[in-house]
Amino acid sequence: GAVVSQHPSWVICKSGTSVKIECRSLDFQATTMFWYRQFPKQSLMLMATSNEGSKATYEQGVEKDKFLINHASLTLSTLTVTSAHPEDSSFYICSARGLAGGPNEQFFGPGTRLTVL
Amino acid sequence: AQSVTQLGSHVSVSEGALVLLRCNYSSSVPPYLFWYVQYPNQGLQLLLKYTSAATLVKGINGFEAEFKKSETSFHLTKPSAHMSDAAEYFCAVGFTGGGNKLTFGTGTQLKVEL
Repeated sequence: GAVVSQHPSWVICKSGTSVKIECRSLDFQATTMFWYRQFPKQSLMLMATSNEGSKATYEQGVEKDKFLINHASLTLSTLTVTSAHPEDSSFYICSARGLAGGPNEQFFGPGTRLTVL
Repeated sequence: AQSVTQLGSHVSVSEGALVLLRCNYSSSVPPYLFWYVQYPNQGLQLLLKYTSAATLVKGINGFEAEFKKSETSFHLTKPSAHMSDAAEYFCAVGFTGGGNKLTFGTGTQLKVEL
């Protein structure tokens, strides 16, 4: 149980284009989803928290107009990187939690590798 | 604010030797503590968690961790390392009222040698 998927697993795009990454909870209802960014050999940095049906809450320093997050249903959240540039290249990981999870417990997706040329 | 410090960005052990990965936390309120493992180009897998029940927590793959409030530590151990344990390990802290957010340490790369 508690499986989270991400699609695509990797994506290459040209500078200036937009890329959408999907995060799905496969066997539970995700009341909250989180989006992280991870640079090579570094830790996870929380970008934003999204609750189903509400606007996402972005961490300080994260551009909300560049990283659009939508959490329209209890099983799906999307991250859209708008007008992507090479510095947006990174590993993006989502996580989710539902009502049944333990305190602060999050279940992580497999990640999406974004490369912007 | 809560924070996590992982001492040693790289740890190398021989196969069959004890694994000890260190994690110290800072929290003004009772913490929830987690250890995750990450294999290359993959997401994070939960190894174990402390949520204020037993202080010695047993997880998957033979790992365990002990919550020591007096030392503000939550070190991860495994009695005998296996080659398949080679990976990146992250300690994370959360707390009640924190919006279910987790703060991650900088990670420890475990290398297992023959």
